[in-house]
Amino acid sequence: DAGITQSPRHKVTETGTPVTLRCHQTENHRYMYWYRQDPGHGLRLIHYSYGVKDTDKGEVSDGYSVSRSKTEDFLLTLESATSSQTSVYFCAIRESTGGNQPQHFGDGTRLSIL
Amino acid sequence: AQSVTQPDIHITVSEGASLELRCNYSYGATPYLFWYVQSPGQGLQLLLKYFSGDTLVQGIKGFEAEFKRSQSSFNLRKPSVHWSDAAEYFCAVCHSGGGADGLTFGKGTHLIIQP
Repeated sequence: DAGITQSPRHKVTETGTPVTLRCHQTENHRYMYWYRQDPGHGLRLIHYSYGVKDTDKGEVSDGYSVSRSKTEDFLLTLESATSSQTSVYFCAIRESTGGNQPQHFGDGTRLSIL
Repeated sequence: AQSVTQPDIHITVSEGASLELRCNYSYGATPYLFWYVQSPGQGLQLLLKYFSGDTLVQGIKGFEAEFKRSQSSFNLRKPSVHWSDAAEYFCAVCHSGGGADGLTFGKGTHLIIQP
């Protein structure tokens, strides 16, 4: 299994509070991704990173920010959580060698916003 | 923009029977295509991938998929399913340009195995 650790695995919080999810990898891969998974929508890309301090927006980036200060860590922040951000969040990584390498996924973080 | 359609939300198959899960994609160039499986409460595991070459690709757990450019399809098959195959299956497409782009996923097919 790819060395990806997501933390926390579960979190319940209240509307309006800030939330940070962490993705840690031990593979030294260049590319990292954050997705959210919702019933009836599959997985949708939130943000991605192509190197330290290099990030870009995905399909559903509104309300989210990311940071990558080290190769191994990719943080997803909800500045002021809303109930619509209740979801399961997955981190993925991909090797830097060529565009045809598959992404490998972490086990997810289940986030509930009350 | 690229898109992926999985027409079947749920499929029920008897144990030992054959399986085919459908996937259609929309993409302007030759895509990179993937099938992932997700067991309850778990992350996604890669079953197989297609980039180029032989249009019939073999994956793990006895799965295979066939790329048909004329039909814009990448259907997943297994000759004989086991109860442990019950899971959610996702088809995904990636930009083949070699960039950092993420995957575009279908909405998934939930596979139920009957005894």
